[in-house]
Amino acid sequence: DIQLTQSPSFLSASVGDRVTITCRASQGIRSYLAWYQQKPGKAPKLLIYVASTLQSGVPSRFSGSGSGTEFTLTISSLQPEDFATYYCQQVNSYPVTFGQGTRLEIK
Amino acid sequence: EVQLVESGGGLVQPGGSLRLSCAASGFTFSDHYMDWVRQAPGMGLEWVGRISNKGNSYTTNYAASVKGRFAISSDESKNSLHLQMNSLKTEDTAVYYCASLRAVYGDGYYYHYMDVWGKGTTVTVSS
Repeated sequence: DIQLTQSPSFLSASVGDRVTITCRASQGIRSYLAWYQQKPGKAPKLLIYVASTLQSGVPSRFSGSGSGTEFTLTISSLQPEDFATYYCQQVNSYPVTFGQGTRLEIK
Repeated sequence: EVQLVESGGGLVQPGGSLRLSCAASGFTFSDHYMDWVRQAPGMGLEWVGRISNKGNSYTTNYAASVKGRFAISSDESKNSLHLQMNSLKTEDTAVYYCASLRAVYGDGYYYHYMDVWGKGTTVTVSS
């Protein structure tokens, strides 16, 4: 199985900050990676797929990059509604796997 | 509006069975691959399994942790997805989400991303 390791696991930041979350895959997954946002008690929401394609309706302050084994999710200017947990996911091969999550909290 | 609504969760004893359902509306159900994903209390997301669309003969794939115990099926006539869970264990306790998948073509294949999610249904396995 492909393991995804996110860093950091916990991030404290302020409104207006630029933040970056990294996701590393245990083997190459080309660009077949997605990012999801989850708020407490809610279902996850697709933000980015194919590593860098923004899902319809997602604000442009979110961006993704990377290929192979290293990927990043960047939020250019944090807004209050962005404080949540973020997960990366690989769809390159079965079984589909998720990273352990990065919890983004208000400083 | 595209919508998924899960039902069927509840409390069940270890070794018991439960059948979850996911009612779909607002899209052509038979065209889409569908997934089940679960989240244990305080934990991350875990993929449970997938069923392909009608055009791909409703083929299924499962996580190793549930293979042989869980079964995914589709009822096109009712626009419904089901997850039959047998031989339940305490570690199956989780919120279970269904998700419809967006297919993106690349490198000769379609790759699938979870673009619409239900709100989830809670399964508790406990004596």
